[in-house]
Amino acid sequence: EPEVTQTPSHQVTQMGQEVILRCVPISNHLYFYWYRQILGQKVEFLVSFYNNEISEKSEIFDDQFSVERPDGSNFTLKIRSTKLEDSAMYFCASSEGGAFGETQYFGPGTRLLVL
Amino acid sequence: AQSVTQLDSHVSVSEGTPVLLRCNYSSSYSPSLFWYVQHPNKGLQLLLKYTSAATLVKGINGFEAEFKKSETSFHLTKPSAHMSDAAEYFCVVSEGGGFKTIFGAGTRLFVKA
Repeated sequence: EPEVTQTPSHQVTQMGQEVILRCVPISNHLYFYWYRQILGQKVEFLVSFYNNEISEKSEIFDDQFSVERPDGSNFTLKIRSTKLEDSAMYFCASSEGGAFGETQYFGPGTRLLVL
Repeated sequence: AQSVTQLDSHVSVSEGTPVLLRCNYSSSYSPSLFWYVQHPNKGLQLLLKYTSAATLVKGINGFEAEFKKSETSFHLTKPSAHMSDAAEYFCVVSEGGGFKTIFGAGTRLFVKA
């Protein structure tokens, strides 16, 4: 069964460093998402991406964050200058469509630790 | 505005006994509702979803959930718990992708031998 994959599974970085989290969505999906889950807190929406542009973003997704689909298969989340509070599990998801009832399929997550 | 409330942060059951994980939602429209499970160090796996068809939805691993509009509930049940069911369970309400997808806080299920 097709699945969303994410790399790396774990990333440790120093505050102020740039990180890139990678995701390979399911191949026929058109909508892509990033969510994050700070330890002990709810899963929160960050950004959705369709047709090579951001379709929605939350207030969390500030100028430090960017997303890209560089090559038609990968979908990346870049954090330009990491802060301690960026430490979280980051989930990528994809769906065939973006409408009501569409199921989002989630990857296993990347656990980011900022020191 | 949408919201979802998982009424129990932790549920503990004995193996072989029924499981009930409670979820209440609010939505301006008729939403889609999902249950996801997260095992330790694993991603979010879809258990089942409701999208305005049958109100009793059957999912994987023997789980099912019943959509009750009058009670705005979407509780997850399983007749007989297995040790492998121990995990975190998330109720999700969605009126579409992204912003309109709201996660509950999660319920951690413990299964005792």
